[in-house]
Amino acid sequence: DVKVTQSSRYLVKRTGEKVFLECVQDMDHENMFWYRQDPGLGLRLIYFSYDVKMKEKGDIPEGYSVSREKKERFSLILESASTNQTSMYLCASSLPLTGFSYNEQFFGPGTRLTVL
Amino acid sequence: ELKVEQNPLFLSMQEGKNYTIYCNYSTTSDRLYWYRQDPGKSLESLFVLLSNGAVKQEGRLMASLDTKARLSTLHITAAVHDLSATYFCAVENSGGSNYKLTFGKGTLLTVNP
Repeated sequence: DVKVTQSSRYLVKRTGEKVFLECVQDMDHENMFWYRQDPGLGLRLIYFSYDVKMKEKGDIPEGYSVSREKKERFSLILESASTNQTSMYLCASSLPLTGFSYNEQFFGPGTRLTVL
Repeated sequence: ELKVEQNPLFLSMQEGKNYTIYCNYSTTSDRLYWYRQDPGKSLESLFVLLSNGAVKQEGRLMASLDTKARLSTLHITAAVHDLSATYFCAVENSGGSNYKLTFGKGTLLTVNP
């Protein structure tokens, strides 16, 4: 089974703090994603990465950055946390689209971040 | 820009009844995914639909895809309480950044005894 783990289930930070959310997958997937989930808005893509050191902006990248130094690990960074970044953050991974593959994404358990 | 609309967003149904959740999307795509999310938990993959006319069934849930109509349905047969959850459809972008999935806002299903 694919396993995607996230470093924390719950996190409380103060406004202005630098926050690191980490995601690790054990299935050698090349694609990794960070989403935020808010009530009434569904899942929105923040950033994704299709290879080590490669990243691409999603739909709502402002206020976030990412790092992918190793294939299995994808970090989301909030440079200066703000209250409007209070949300559930979900990491996912998938195989690359080649030939007969498809983009089924496997999700981690989520990190509920509260910024005070 | 790909847009994905689910309806209804809230669905309260009695055990034993049937109902359908609809997922419409705005641009051409051949691939659609259904996920389930239990309260406080993450998303779990339910169905992968890869072509026009695809139909998948698991227990009381059946999903289908009509790419010409840009429509997928998730049909619930004889609902039971255990099916209470939020259901998301997600559509694969067919061009450009085709790594991406665009999600609907989700349908919160509550099955009452």
